[in-house]
Amino acid sequence: AQSVTQLGSHVSVSEGALVLLRCNYSSSVPPYLFWYVQYPNQGLQLLLKYTSAATLVKGINGFEAEFKKSETSFHLTKPSAHMSDAAEYFCAVSDLNNNNDMRFGAGTRLTVKP
Amino acid sequence: DTAVSQTPKYLVTQMGNDKSIKCEQNLGHDTMYWYKQDSKKFLKIMFSYNNKELIINETVPNRFSPKSPDKAHLNLHINSLELGDSAVYFCASSQGRGAGGYTFGSGTRLTVV
Repeated sequence: AQSVTQLGSHVSVSEGALVLLRCNYSSSVPPYLFWYVQYPNQGLQLLLKYTSAATLVKGINGFEAEFKKSETSFHLTKPSAHMSDAAEYFCAVSDLNNNNDMRFGAGTRLTVKP
Repeated sequence: DTAVSQTPKYLVTQMGNDKSIKCEQNLGHDTMYWYKQDSKKFLKIMFSYNNKELIINETVPNRFSPKSPDKAHLNLHINSLELGDSAVYFCASSQGRGAGGYTFGSGTRLTVV
């Protein structure tokens, strides 16, 4: 079964600094990978997705992620953090051969310091 | 024009009660889901329905019963509520197997006292 591991439950950066949130996946078949963001007291919002096209995926709010098969990774980055980026971020993997079963990582809380 | 709407947003109830959470999506999606998010933010899938048919039923107590009257609605009924059921419950939807990702509702915070 597929799974994802997010390294670091809490990441803190200064405003304007690089954001790097790490995600490694495990899947026996080519995976579909996703990043979601959850602001306080809200639902999850799709940031970006990898579906076997380009390995560098651009999403909303200036975020991007790179699929690296050799490293089984799908890390999320943003060149310059903004205060409004403070939220919980979830990596997710979906094996579309397994009946729509999307599995989420444990989440990484991003704090942005002024 | 909310895409996935859940009601109620907050639900406080006593142990032993029965309660329902409703979910509706207006995206024309054919698949709907229920996820449970615990106090540590961990998300666990509970159920998945495709065109009103149950696809996924994870290891969930049979006190939880989903009902899908049509493909735009997936309600969650919980019998004999327990303290451990306290969590945030999210409804989501997708087209097909979700290659485009899921669209989530804003959640229902259930507190059992």
